[in-house]
Amino acid sequence: AQSVSQHNHHVILSEAASLELGCNYSYGGTVNLFWYVQYPGQHLQLLLKYFSGDPLVKGIKGFEAEFIKSKFSFNLRKPSVQWSDTAEYFCAVTLSGGYNKLIFGAGTRLAVHP
Amino acid sequence: GAGVSQSPSNKVTEKGKDVELRCDPISGHTALYWYRQRLGQGLEFLIYFQGNSAPDKSGLPSDRFSAERTGESVSTLTIQRTQQEDSAVYLCASSLALGSETQYFGPGTRLLVL
Repeated sequence: AQSVSQHNHHVILSEAASLELGCNYSYGGTVNLFWYVQYPGQHLQLLLKYFSGDPLVKGIKGFEAEFIKSKFSFNLRKPSVQWSDTAEYFCAVTLSGGYNKLIFGAGTRLAVHP
Repeated sequence: GAGVSQSPSNKVTEKGKDVELRCDPISGHTALYWYRQRLGQGLEFLIYFQGNSAPDKSGLPSDRFSAERTGESVSTLTIQRTQQEDSAVYLCASSLALGSETQYFGPGTRLLVL
């Protein structure tokens, strides 16, 4: 069955540190890739997405992600985190022909200390 | 415009009772999705509607779960004879249409079965 793996369940960083959250998926066909973020007490919201084209995509709040097809990966990065980035981050994919249902990873809780 | 809304925001029920959860999608969004997030886990797909038809019910965990949608608006997710393992946050999302469209999530209904 198709799945999404997020390797880091909890990450703790200090402000200004660089961030990279890993995401791998298991599916050999065409995929669309997403990172969603859930800030404390808020809705799940889209951070960035990749459908096609340039494999390096930029999202809101200075986040970016790189799709590496050969590695089935879509890692999320930010060069310098802020306290306000404290949230839970979810990687997700939709499969070509899969009715657009999102398959989510288990999530990564990021805590940024001032 | 208004986002996806869900009600109730919290529901506590006794084992064996039936519950109904409601979702109001963004106006004009033809696609509607239900997901479930159990404690410490990622979101899992339950069911998807395109208009008022449900081409993919593969995620419903048992025959105690059912969902319907009136036209291209409100959807209700019904859980009959609730069990403790049904305790979770139930999230609804909507998107403009099938295909590579971003899904917008509601705030969720937190269900606790005692």
